[in-house]
Amino acid sequence: GIQVEQSPPDLILQEGANSTLRCNFSDSVNNLQWFHQNPWGQLINLFYIPSGTKQNGRLSATTVATERYSLLYISSSQTTDSGVYFCAVARTGYSTLTFGKGTMLLVSP
Amino acid sequence: GAVVSQHPSRVICKSGTSVKIECRSLDFQATTMFWYRQFPKQSLMLMATSNEGSKATYEQGVEKDKFLINHASLTLSTLTVTSAHPEDSSFYICSAGGALKETQYFGPGTRLLVL
Repeated sequence: GIQVEQSPPDLILQEGANSTLRCNFSDSVNNLQWFHQNPWGQLINLFYIPSGTKQNGRLSATTVATERYSLLYISSSQTTDSGVYFCAVARTGYSTLTFGKGTMLLVSP
Repeated sequence: GAVVSQHPSRVICKSGTSVKIECRSLDFQATTMFWYRQFPKQSLMLMATSNEGSKATYEQGVEKDKFLINHASLTLSTLTVTSAHPEDSSFYICSAGGALKETQYFGPGTRLLVL
């Protein structure tokens, strides 16, 4: 199956700082999503981004499919950004997702 | 956006009892729903894919007689943990495919503690 590696595994930031989270995957994919799991366990869709660049407020993501990686950028981080960020991929558009191990982010005030 | 609910949000039960968890897509129809399991500080592991009107597809290593899945309608899938034991304690999360079939929307999860 596809291997998904996320880095860094843990990240501690001061409020207001910027950060970049990385997701590497081992095979061609047609589906890549970024999720934020809040401290209560709820997964929130951030981006569906099998290729290209998208932005949503302070968050943006870029996937370079040919080089098999995706980046999630968080700018001007806030304490509410704390939680675990997961990258998940699938070979086809609507097949099962394979999740990375996540990046645990803690933003301190 | 698409909303998926789960019930109950948490359950504590005695060893040997069965527990049913419901997953509902509230504002869209989902022909496919997915059930995941997550241990503390670990990633999500897919347990099974639930298809409306047909048998679920289980991932390797997941006991289908232990984790019964029923997808009776386009908005409801249930996971029953039969004869639960302490090692079944975990966070169970469902997801449903949205109108854009490539995306999955996740329920809030169910925390199961088996004593």
